[in-house]
Amino acid sequence: AQSVTQPDIHITVSEGASLELRCNYSYGATPYLFWYVQSPGQGLQLLLKYFSGDTLVQGIKGFEAEFKRSQSSFNLRKPSVHWSDAAEYFCAVGKNAGNNRKLIWGLGTSLAVNP
Amino acid sequence: GAVVSQHPSRVICKSGTSVKIECRSLDFQATTMFWYRQFPKQSLMLMATSNEGSKATYEQGVEKDKFLINHASLTLSTLTVTSAHPEDSSFYICSASGGVQYFGPGTRLLVL
Repeated sequence: AQSVTQPDIHITVSEGASLELRCNYSYGATPYLFWYVQSPGQGLQLLLKYFSGDTLVQGIKGFEAEFKRSQSSFNLRKPSVHWSDAAEYFCAVGKNAGNNRKLIWGLGTSLAVNP
Repeated sequence: GAVVSQHPSRVICKSGTSVKIECRSLDFQATTMFWYRQFPKQSLMLMATSNEGSKATYEQGVEKDKFLINHASLTLSTLTVTSAHPEDSSFYICSASGGVQYFGPGTRLLVL
């Protein structure tokens, strides 16, 4: 069965430190992979996505993620975290193609940033 | 990215009443919209897939007679929680799909 695992429920980093949020997936076909961020009081915002091609994808707000098929992973990284990055981060795998693409969600990682 | 709005952002209702939540894609046409429910500190649970002009497809365990979905136009889908009960209190989120899902800000429902 398809699934997405985010092993870290909660992570705390200091402002300016680097960040890596882990995501592993189980999916039989070529995955469509997404990272979303949910800030308090705001809707889910797409950070980046991987459909095909270059396995290192760049997103908004200085985030990047690398698709590693051999490890079934799509980890999110940022070289220097800002206090405004504190939020809930969700990894998702897309099923189906096109507009009917359903998303299978991880449970999320809550990121806290210390000043 | 595309903009999706939801209305209302917050609603409190009495048990037994019905509540309608609107989801609009403001700057693109969405043939497909999704409705989710999110419990505190948890991930999103897909409730149903809404396709314009056709019946919604509900996920297993979601009561279609309780959660009525209408997708009458390419920019509007509505979710009506009928005969709401306190256990229906939750955060409801819609998304509009243009290959990638763009999410609304969510609606906080509290049923007293």
